[in-house]
Amino acid sequence: AQKVTQAQTEISVVEKEDVTLDCVYETRDTTYYLFWYKQPPSGELVFLIRRNSFDEQNEISGRYSWNFQKSTSSFNFTITASQVVDSAVYFCALGGGYQKVTFGIGTKLQVIP
Amino acid sequence: SAVISQKPSRDICQRGTSLTIQCQVDSQVTMMFWYRQQPGQSLTLIATANQGSEATYESGFVIDKFPISRPNLTFSTLTVSNMSPEDSSIYLCSVEGQGTYNEQFFGPGTRLTVL
Repeated sequence: AQKVTQAQTEISVVEKEDVTLDCVYETRDTTYYLFWYKQPPSGELVFLIRRNSFDEQNEISGRYSWNFQKSTSSFNFTITASQVVDSAVYFCALGGGYQKVTFGIGTKLQVIP
Repeated sequence: SAVISQKPSRDICQRGTSLTIQCQVDSQVTMMFWYRQQPGQSLTLIATANQGSEATYESGFVIDKFPISRPNLTFSTLTVSNMSPEDSSIYLCSVEGQGTYNEQFFGPGTRLTVL
């Protein structure tokens, strides 16, 4: 069975602070893939990143960076110099075989101006 | 990435009625997925819809309550039948990107409130 744990249900930071959203996953699949999605107050889900299990290289995209560590089954997401527009719910998700994706419960991030 | 639209974007319905949600994709896709997001909760997969075959439902979801149609490779509908307030949720359809192990792209969602 697949499981995604996002232990932080809500985080508040002051604008320009850095913030890290934690994600821990469980799977028996040897090949799997991990995602992060952003859900702003408007409700639609915005895809941020995909990472395959055989690619542990960390990635940076602008103010966003992701740290994938198979040894600890974690796929953490860091926002540098946070902005008010970053306020949203962020979901970590895990995909295994047959395209089934399991989502974490989400972390609500509030960036205070 | 696929562009997905959903109709209606939101609705308020009375208990005991049914609502059909439409999902349109701008490209042909093999599988479409329907999710439910209850207030303050994560996404839960309802079913996977393949064109030309019966939808595959996840544990806890049944066809009588959530009938799905998939008449072609760009369109699907989800009906929420005999609604109760517990069905108040956001319903989202999604499709997978091209290739293997790809991300899913989501429609804008349908916000359903059942009174």
